[in-house]
Amino acid sequence: ELKVEQNPLFLSMQEGKNYTIYCNYSTTSDRLYWYRQDPGKSLESLFVLLSNGAVKQEGRLMASLDTKARLSTLHITAAVHDLSATYFCASNFGNEKLTFGTGTRLTIIP
Amino acid sequence: NAGVTQTPKFQVLKTGQSMTLQCAQDMNHEYMSWYRQDPGMGLRLIHYSVGAGITDQGEVPNGYNVSRSTTEDFPLRLLSAAPSQTSVYFCASSYRGASTTEAFFGQGTRLTVV
Repeated sequence: ELKVEQNPLFLSMQEGKNYTIYCNYSTTSDRLYWYRQDPGKSLESLFVLLSNGAVKQEGRLMASLDTKARLSTLHITAAVHDLSATYFCASNFGNEKLTFGTGTRLTIIP
Repeated sequence: NAGVTQTPKFQVLKTGQSMTLQCAQDMNHEYMSWYRQDPGMGLRLIHYSVGAGITDQGEVPNGYNVSRSTTEDFPLRLLSAAPSQTSVYFCASSYRGASTTEAFFGQGTRLTVV
């Protein structure tokens, strides 16, 4: 079964702190995606990770991929309020159909 | 650039009614798909298409039909709406095979079935 699991589901962080969201997937995948969704909005693409050891960074967000462990992480550095959103990871499992995790709702507390 | 355009943005249906959610993309993408988003369940694939004239079922296809007569358009039809179809629907498009492909999502259609 193709599954993508994220944890935690909910995360409250203080501003300035660091934290990591984890994304495990069930079988071989050649692409791992991270999306951001603000309340009532569509999904915004953050990162596409293509190979083992891939690391991408944008501002305070950094994503990495370990294909051997079937694990991707989204690391948040020195969180700010603007990062409050729901974050999804998704895998394509070798085709164009995306399987999504259930999402991590991130709240940054001043 | 319009990207992926969905209409309508909001819709209320009575049980048993039918309707079509429209999706159009102007990026000449081969691949289009429909997802539904329900609280606590992420996005689940309903139907997808790898090109004009080719469609296939996703994870939750029951109660929905699709067709793809052109590259640009991929409408989703609800045959007989049920309260369980209350959800937010997203259409997405992408191009196949590129090393950095990503899916572009429409703004969503919030559907309530009463």
